[in-house]
Amino acid sequence: DSGVTQTPKHLITATGQRVTLRCSPRSGDLSVYWYQQSLDQGLQFLIHYYNGEERAKGNILERFSAQQFPDLHSELNLSSLELGDSALYFCASSFHNEQFFGPGTRLTVL
Amino acid sequence: GQNIDQPTEMTATEGAIVQINCTYQTSGFNGLFWYQQHAGEAPTFLSYNVLDGLEEKGRFSSFLSRSKGYSYLLLKELQMKDSASYLCAVRREGGATNKLIFGTGTLLAVQP
Repeated sequence: DSGVTQTPKHLITATGQRVTLRCSPRSGDLSVYWYQQSLDQGLQFLIHYYNGEERAKGNILERFSAQQFPDLHSELNLSSLELGDSALYFCASSFHNEQFFGPGTRLTVL
Repeated sequence: GQNIDQPTEMTATEGAIVQINCTYQTSGFNGLFWYQQHAGEAPTFLSYNVLDGLEEKGRFSSFLSRSKGYSYLLLKELQMKDSASYLCAVRREGGATNKLIFGTGTLLAVQP
């Protein structure tokens, strides 16, 4: 158990819908990273927040957004969902070097 | 930009030693990480190298050559539970982020 929690574990929804994925970092970690992992691609960096501030963006679609709240939990919002958004979404938290990954949310868009 | 290459698949025998290579090209380098990922599960941290040389941690060792843009992960005394995907990731220097750029992973199958 990495200490990072993500909810929900599974999410099944339809095209065009909007969903919110939630992540709680390890106690004391200020950084939260979001990654997408689909079958045909490896782990793709989406976005990084540090203590409530956005620090870096990867190839994140405009339909996706995220935020980190004062209690340091983070939410990833995915809107106007498409079939291709089906993937595992991981968040990770870090204090220094290593990133510790949560169990992931498996999103299925039908 | 960044480019990270790893073999797609490898097969090895229980009890043996296997070496998984990773080459990278990046403008700026600030560390290389290895993660293990079982299918459908979260990646788990294995090792971190920022200076040249070998880091040993039990059955797992990782080597880095910054001048060659090369790393390898060495797994000794292979066990069936080592069957997993092994991800090489690079961190760039500078900026306000420690984001990692991952390779596509090497799927290792350990056979009896």
